[in-house]
Amino acid sequence: DAKTTQPPSMDCAEGRAANLPCNHSTISGNEYVYWYRQIHSQGPQYIIHGLKNNETNEMASLIITEDRKSSTLILPHATLRDTAVYYCIVRNNSGNTPLVFGKGTRLSVIA
Amino acid sequence: ETGVTQTPRHLVMGMTNKKSLKCEQHLGHNAMYWYKQSAKKPLELMFVYNFKEQTENNSVPSRFSPECPNSSHLFLHLHTLQPEDSALYLCASSRPGPMNTEAFFGQGTRLTVV
Repeated sequence: DAKTTQPPSMDCAEGRAANLPCNHSTISGNEYVYWYRQIHSQGPQYIIHGLKNNETNEMASLIITEDRKSSTLILPHATLRDTAVYYCIVRNNSGNTPLVFGKGTRLSVIA
Repeated sequence: ETGVTQTPRHLVMGMTNKKSLKCEQHLGHNAMYWYKQSAKKPLELMFVYNFKEQTENNSVPSRFSPECPNSSHLFLHLHTLQPEDSALYLCASSRPGPMNTEAFFGQGTRLTVV
């Protein structure tokens, strides 16, 4: 079973920031938070991951709370092409641990 | 392009047919995975291979038979499938930590069993 909880769906206006929350209250010390997204009928796309510090890349920012029990993925300027299902996954990095997917959040970006 | 290539992209097969799905990556990854995604359901992990050895089989029926001849190639052999096996089959690969551990996915094979 997935160890994260996400809202089933969210809407965001085009050009605004999309903030996608994730709860992972049972995360352990060696587990990272990963975010992927899946645009309709395509393979999941890696977005970002982090352990405890906030992370930023060209796609998004990841904010992790100090207690690590929740995190937020931020798409700073959402576009229509960001419409997808977003998955928050906890996974340890000690070996080739497979990703276990939950139901994710369906983000709809509206013009 | 993620560097993980799956073929074919689409496949229609009868219940008595035998077919194979192929996945390859040249990212230097040593773990490869098969996932199944049925309509409106989350991705389900099927098989895991580490260094060509199968390390996980999530109670997958024997009509699905994986093969990993080397760290760059992964196959899923299909025989006597059922209509409920129609789904998107996804392959992924990764390497162990601590750096560059993200898994990359192929675009999937859309399988229809008739």
